[in-house]
Amino acid sequence: QPVLTQPPSASASLGASVTLTCTLSSGYSNYKVDWYQQRPGKGPRFVMRVGTGGIVGSKGDGIPDRFSVLGSGLNRYLTIKNIQEEDESDYHCGADHGSGSNFFWVFGGGTKLTVL
Amino acid sequence: EVQLVESGGGLVQPGGSLRLSCAASGFTFSSYWMSWVRQAPGKGLEWVANIKQDGSEKYYVDSVKGRFTISRDNAKNSLYLQMNSLRAEDTAVYYCARGGVYLSGWFDPWGQGTLVTVSS
Repeated sequence: QPVLTQPPSASASLGASVTLTCTLSSGYSNYKVDWYQQRPGKGPRFVMRVGTGGIVGSKGDGIPDRFSVLGSGLNRYLTIKNIQEEDESDYHCGADHGSGSNFFWVFGGGTKLTVL
Repeated sequence: EVQLVESGGGLVQPGGSLRLSCAASGFTFSSYWMSWVRQAPGKGLEWVANIKQDGSEKYYVDSVKGRFTISRDNAKNSLYLQMNSLRAEDTAVYYCARGGVYLSGWFDPWGQGTLVTVSS
């Protein structure tokens, strides 16, 4: 089954840009990954899905144009430009995996983004 | 407005049972897969279970198989999670999330969560 790896923390200054990375385990380079934003004390919010060709489908409701994604090899990236205070959140990536009669979702450990 | 509201969480002793509910509104509930996802204190997300539109297919994470049962009532626009033989490691905030029309759809939206604490 796929394993998703995320760095535990990242930081960026107000107005700057940051790229968050979600790395798939070997052998899963064709997998799509979903990004979720979780503000402190809130439920997660869908950001967008990314494959090797970039965004799959559309962004979640209210996700600003400052958010974009790219996919390359085993990595799936979420870039946030012109960072605002409200972007300070935990960012989770997730992917589904089907095998025979089984099916499940896996998530990375999440990256805590701090806005300086 | 699409909304999911969980309820039923609380403090329960190890070995006990609890039933979570999720009330859906603002969309055609019967058209979507639905899921439960949990988050232990200070930890990441863990998918727990999902259920097809008509309830004919259900999938569970290995750690809850045989103990948890997901179900739905489309007439009441409600999703449920029956949790038996609870363990300390089941302590988490449990989120209800809407999946897609097809099995492999992203989770959008999510509820605000309900806290389950398993402790003596």
